[in-house]
Amino acid sequence: SQQGEEDPQALSIQEGENATMNCSYKTSINNLQWYRQNSGRGLVHLILIRSNEREKHSGRLRVTLDTSKKSSSLLITASRAADTASYFCATAFFSGNTGKLIFGQGTTLQVKP
Amino acid sequence: EAQVTQNPRYLITVTGKKLTVTCSQNMNHEYMSWYRQDPGLGLRQIYYSMNVEVTDKGDVPEGYKVSRKEKRNFPLILESPSPNQTSLYFCASRVGHQETQYFGPGTRLLVL
Repeated sequence: SQQGEEDPQALSIQEGENATMNCSYKTSINNLQWYRQNSGRGLVHLILIRSNEREKHSGRLRVTLDTSKKSSSLLITASRAADTASYFCATAFFSGNTGKLIFGQGTTLQVKP
Repeated sequence: EAQVTQNPRYLITVTGKKLTVTCSQNMNHEYMSWYRQDPGLGLRQIYYSMNVEVTDKGDVPEGYKVSRKEKRNFPLILESPSPNQTSLYFCASRVGHQETQYFGPGTRLLVL
């Protein structure tokens, strides 16, 4: 399957620490996207990294992509209690004018004040 | 404000009673999708649409119907809901098939 798989499934850290989440996938992709979901609410897009990119930054977020290992990581630096949420990677692959975006099962992050 | 809206947000119904969950986006996006989210199973795509009158099945289409008569609207129809369709449903849209998705706030459905 194309599905991204996040690791770890759950992560608990103290405020101020860094949080790292990993995503592995199985086949070639066009891009990989990370989303955040606060409990029971809609997903919010964080970062999109294309297959020809290796690293992207957005504020306290850093995403890397290693297409040779078919893996990506999301690093949140100097975490805050408000970062408590579930984080999902989504792998995107396209053929012609059609495309699919497949989500993994997510990493639940708890940041303790 | 650019957004995806869904209605209703919460719905309790009984087995077999047809229902429709509406989805609307104001961003002129071509692509729209429906997902369901269940504990331990993550987000699974039900149906998607690449443009008006163009729809296709996702990974879990059984028991659902969709239509795309207008670009902004993509309703999800459950002709005869069953308890296994109890779930949290999300509508999403994106401008092109390679771009990021914007999600609606979700519809929590309970089928008794």
